Amino acid sequence: QVQLVESGGGVVQAGRSLRLSCAASGFTFSTHGMHWVRQAPGKGLEWLAVIWYDGSYKYYADSVKGRFTISRDSSKNTLYLQMNSLRAEDTAVYYCAREPDFWSGQRGYLDYWGQGTLVTVSS
Amino acid sequence: QTVVTQEPSFSVSPGGTVTLTCGLTSGSVSSSYYPSWYQQTPGQAPRTLIYNTNTRSSGVPDRFSGSILGNKAALTITGAQADDESDYYCALYMGSGINVFGVGTKVTVL
Repeated sequence: QVQLVESGGGVVQAGRSLRLSCAASGFTFSTHGMHWVRQAPGKGLEWLAVIWYDGSYKYYADSVKGRFTISRDSSKNTLYLQMNSLRAEDTAVYYCAREPDFWSGQRGYLDYWGQGTLVTVSS
Repeated sequence: QTVVTQEPSFSVSPGGTVTLTCGLTSGSVSSSYYPSWYQQTPGQAPRTLIYNTNTRSSGVPDRFSGSILGNKAALTITGAQADDESDYYCALYMGSGINVFGVGTKVTVL
Protein backbone atom coordinates (compact mmCIF):
# COMPACT_ATOMS: atom_id res chain seq x y z
CA GLN A 1 0.00 0.00 0.00
CA VAL A 2 1.07 3.58 -0.58
CA GLN A 3 3.03 5.04 2.32
CA LEU A 4 4.55 8.47 2.76
CA VAL A 5 6.54 9.01 5.94
CA GLU A 6 7.92 12.44 6.76
CA SER A 7 10.85 13.02 9.09
CA GLY A 8 13.32 15.72 10.04
CA GLY A 9 11.04 18.08 11.91
CA GLY A 10 11.93 19.60 15.25
CA VAL A 11 12.71 22.85 17.01
CA VAL A 12 15.09 25.23 15.23
CA GLN A 13 16.13 28.80 15.83
CA ALA A 14 15.03 31.54 13.49
CA GLY A 15 17.51 32.09 10.70
CA ARG A 16 18.76 28.50 10.74
CA SER A 17 18.15 25.67 8.28
CA LEU A 18 16.39 22.32 8.38
CA ARG A 19 15.90 19.54 5.87
CA LEU A 20 12.76 17.45 5.79
CA SER A 21 12.55 14.02 4.20
CA CYS A 22 9.61 12.01 2.94
CA ALA A 23 10.19 8.29 2.44
CA ALA A 24 7.87 6.81 -0.17
CA SER A 25 6.90 3.17 -0.58
CA GLY A 26 4.24 1.00 -2.14
CA PHE A 27 4.29 2.69 -5.55
CA THR A 28 6.60 3.63 -8.40
CA PHE A 29 8.05 6.84 -7.03
CA SER A 30 9.67 7.91 -10.29
CA THR A 31 6.35 8.33 -12.13
CA HIS A 32 4.63 10.64 -9.65
CA GLY A 33 4.98 14.34 -9.02
CA MET A 34 5.42 15.13 -5.34
CA HIS A 35 4.37 18.07 -3.21
CA TRP A 36 4.95 19.72 0.14
CA VAL A 37 2.00 21.28 1.96
CA ARG A 38 2.07 22.85 5.41
CA GLN A 39 -0.40 23.77 8.11
CA ALA A 40 0.38 26.34 10.77
CA PRO A 41 -1.18 25.74 14.19
CA GLY A 42 -4.92 26.37 14.00
CA LYS A 43 -4.70 27.46 10.37
CA GLY A 44 -5.54 26.01 6.98
CA LEU A 45 -3.54 24.12 4.43
CA GLU A 46 -0.92 25.99 2.43
CA TRP A 47 0.57 24.50 -0.72
CA LEU A 48 4.33 25.06 -0.80
CA ALA A 49 6.09 23.31 -3.64
CA VAL A 50 5.92 20.66 -6.35
CA ILE A 51 8.57 18.67 -8.14
CA TRP A 52 7.70 16.88 -11.34
CA TYR A 53 7.95 13.10 -11.58
CA ASP A 54 11.36 13.28 -13.26
CA GLY A 55 12.65 16.27 -11.33
CA SER A 56 12.64 18.43 -14.45
CA TYR A 57 10.46 21.19 -13.06
CA LYS A 58 9.98 22.68 -9.62
CA TYR A 59 7.51 25.35 -8.57
CA TYR A 60 7.08 27.19 -5.29
CA ALA A 61 4.60 29.33 -3.41
CA ASP A 62 5.67 32.96 -3.15
CA SER A 63 5.89 32.61 0.64
CA VAL A 64 8.87 30.22 0.39
CA LYS A 65 10.40 31.02 -2.98
CA GLY A 66 14.12 31.65 -2.64
CA ARG A 67 14.28 30.10 0.86
CA PHE A 68 12.99 26.55 0.37
CA THR A 69 14.18 23.96 -2.16
CA ILE A 70 12.33 20.81 -3.12
CA SER A 71 14.28 17.85 -4.46
CA ARG A 72 13.96 14.12 -4.91
CA ASP A 73 16.19 11.06 -5.05
CA SER A 74 14.46 8.33 -7.00
CA SER A 75 17.21 5.84 -6.14
CA LYS A 76 16.15 6.24 -2.51
CA ASN A 77 12.43 6.84 -3.13
CA THR A 78 12.73 9.97 -1.04
CA LEU A 79 11.47 13.52 -1.34
CA TYR A 80 13.20 16.40 0.41
CA LEU A 81 12.50 19.96 1.46
CA GLN A 82 15.52 22.09 2.30
CA MET A 83 14.38 25.03 4.39
CA ASN A 84 16.77 27.96 4.88
CA SER A 85 16.45 31.29 6.67
CA LEU A 86 13.61 29.95 8.77
CA ARG A 87 11.15 32.37 10.33
CA ALA A 88 8.68 32.07 13.19
CA GLU A 89 5.85 32.04 10.64
CA ASP A 90 7.27 28.83 9.13
CA THR A 91 6.16 26.98 12.27
CA ALA A 92 3.78 24.31 10.99
CA VAL A 93 3.12 20.67 10.34
CA TYR A 94 4.69 19.81 7.00
CA TYR A 95 3.02 17.18 4.83
CA CYS A 96 4.35 15.49 1.75
CA ALA A 97 1.75 14.42 -0.77
CA ARG A 98 1.64 12.54 -4.02
CA GLU A 99 -0.12 13.41 -7.23
CA PRO A 100 -1.39 10.78 -9.66
CA ASP A 101 0.93 8.92 -11.99
CA PHE A 102 2.12 11.34 -14.65
CA TRP A 103 1.34 8.86 -17.42
CA SER A 104 -2.24 8.33 -16.24
CA GLY A 105 -3.24 11.71 -17.63
CA GLN A 106 -4.84 12.67 -14.33
CA ARG A 107 -3.89 16.12 -13.11
CA GLY A 108 -4.52 18.68 -10.52
CA TYR A 109 -4.90 16.93 -7.19
CA LEU A 110 -3.11 15.15 -4.40
CA ASP A 111 -4.13 11.55 -3.95
CA TYR A 112 -2.08 10.38 -0.96
CA TRP A 113 -0.73 12.25 2.05
CA GLY A 114 1.81 11.53 4.73
CA GLN A 115 1.07 12.04 8.40
CA GLY A 116 3.21 15.14 8.66
CA THR A 117 6.20 16.35 10.66
CA LEU A 118 6.13 19.34 12.99
CA VAL A 119 8.61 22.17 12.55
CA THR A 120 8.81 24.77 15.29
CA VAL A 121 10.87 27.89 14.68
CA SER A 122 11.83 29.72 17.84
CA SER A 123 12.63 33.42 17.73
CA GLN B 1 -2.35 36.82 -6.17
CA THR B 2 -4.92 34.04 -6.38
CA VAL B 3 -7.22 33.81 -3.35
CA VAL B 4 -9.60 30.88 -3.04
CA THR B 5 -12.68 31.55 -0.96
CA GLN B 6 -14.69 29.20 1.25
CA GLU B 7 -17.35 29.71 3.87
CA PRO B 8 -15.81 29.75 7.38
CA SER B 9 -18.32 27.35 8.88
CA PHE B 10 -21.54 25.45 8.41
CA SER B 11 -23.80 23.57 10.76
CA VAL B 12 -25.92 20.66 9.56
CA SER B 13 -28.32 18.33 11.31
CA PRO B 14 -27.73 14.57 11.21
CA GLY B 15 -29.31 13.29 8.02
CA GLY B 16 -29.38 16.76 6.53
CA THR B 17 -27.75 18.20 3.44
CA VAL B 18 -25.09 20.89 3.25
CA THR B 19 -23.34 22.45 0.28
CA LEU B 20 -19.92 24.04 0.64
CA THR B 21 -18.57 26.31 -2.06
CA CYS B 22 -15.16 27.23 -3.41
CA GLY B 23 -14.70 30.45 -5.33
CA LEU B 24 -12.16 32.97 -6.50
CA THR B 25 -11.92 36.59 -5.38
CA SER B 26 -11.28 37.41 -9.02
CA GLY B 27 -12.95 35.31 -11.68
CA SER B 28 -15.03 32.16 -11.87
CA VAL B 29 -14.22 28.59 -10.97
CA SER B 30 -14.75 26.12 -13.78
CA SER B 31 -13.83 22.53 -14.35
CA SER B 32 -10.64 23.82 -15.99
CA TYR B 33 -9.32 24.37 -12.48
CA TYR B 34 -9.83 20.66 -11.69
CA PRO B 35 -11.37 21.45 -8.28
CA SER B 36 -10.55 18.97 -5.55
CA TRP B 37 -11.80 18.59 -1.98
CA TYR B 38 -10.05 17.32 1.13
CA GLN B 39 -11.41 16.36 4.52
CA GLN B 40 -9.39 16.81 7.69
CA THR B 41 -10.20 15.98 11.29
CA PRO B 42 -8.12 17.45 14.14
CA GLY B 43 -4.68 15.94 14.45
CA GLN B 44 -5.02 13.93 11.25
CA ALA B 45 -3.63 14.28 7.78
CA PRO B 46 -5.98 15.45 5.04
CA ARG B 47 -7.96 12.82 3.15
CA THR B 48 -8.76 13.26 -0.52
CA LEU B 49 -12.52 13.20 -1.13
CA ILE B 50 -13.20 14.57 -4.61
CA TYR B 51 -11.01 15.36 -7.61
CA ASN B 52 -11.57 16.65 -11.12
CA THR B 53 -14.70 18.48 -9.94
CA ASN B 54 -16.88 15.46 -9.26
CA THR B 55 -14.90 12.20 -9.09
CA ARG B 56 -14.91 10.51 -5.69
CA SER B 57 -11.68 9.03 -4.43
CA SER B 58 -11.60 5.34 -3.67
CA GLY B 59 -13.58 4.47 -0.56
CA VAL B 60 -15.37 7.81 -0.29
CA PRO B 61 -19.09 7.34 0.44
CA ASP B 62 -21.51 8.46 -2.24
CA ARG B 63 -23.11 10.95 0.14
CA PHE B 64 -20.22 13.21 -0.91
CA SER B 65 -20.58 14.77 -4.32
CA GLY B 66 -18.83 17.53 -6.23
CA SER B 67 -20.11 19.93 -8.85
CA ILE B 68 -19.87 23.39 -10.34
CA LEU B 69 -22.63 25.70 -9.11
CA GLY B 70 -22.70 28.98 -10.93
CA ASN B 71 -19.20 30.41 -10.74
CA LYS B 72 -18.00 28.20 -7.90
CA ALA B 73 -17.05 24.63 -7.20
CA ALA B 74 -19.26 22.90 -4.67
CA LEU B 75 -19.11 19.96 -2.28
CA THR B 76 -22.45 18.56 -1.16
CA ILE B 77 -22.89 16.21 1.76
CA THR B 78 -26.27 14.47 1.54
CA GLY B 79 -27.44 12.62 4.64
CA ALA B 80 -24.76 14.01 6.93
CA GLN B 81 -23.40 11.73 9.62
CA ALA B 82 -21.68 12.53 12.88
CA ASP B 83 -18.28 11.51 11.57
CA ASP B 84 -18.58 14.03 8.73
CA GLU B 85 -17.80 16.69 11.30
CA SER B 86 -14.47 17.94 9.95
CA ASP B 87 -12.68 20.74 8.19
CA TYR B 88 -13.08 20.72 4.43
CA TYR B 89 -10.60 22.30 2.05
CA CYS B 90 -10.95 22.88 -1.63
CA ALA B 91 -7.99 23.27 -3.96
CA LEU B 92 -7.75 24.70 -7.44
CA TYR B 93 -5.15 23.65 -9.97
CA MET B 94 -3.19 26.46 -11.59
CA GLY B 95 -1.20 24.29 -13.97
CA SER B 96 2.33 22.85 -13.88
CA GLY B 97 1.52 21.07 -10.61
CA ILE B 98 0.69 24.26 -8.73
CA ASN B 99 -2.30 24.06 -6.39
CA VAL B 100 -3.94 26.75 -4.28
CA PHE B 101 -5.98 25.80 -1.24
CA GLY B 102 -8.98 27.58 0.11
CA VAL B 103 -9.10 28.71 3.71
CA GLY B 104 -11.27 25.78 4.72
CA THR B 105 -14.82 25.30 6.02
CA LYS B 106 -15.53 23.85 9.44
CA VAL B 107 -18.59 21.61 9.33
CA THR B 108 -20.42 20.84 12.55
CA VAL B 109 -23.03 18.08 12.68
CA LEU B 110 -25.58 18.67 15.44
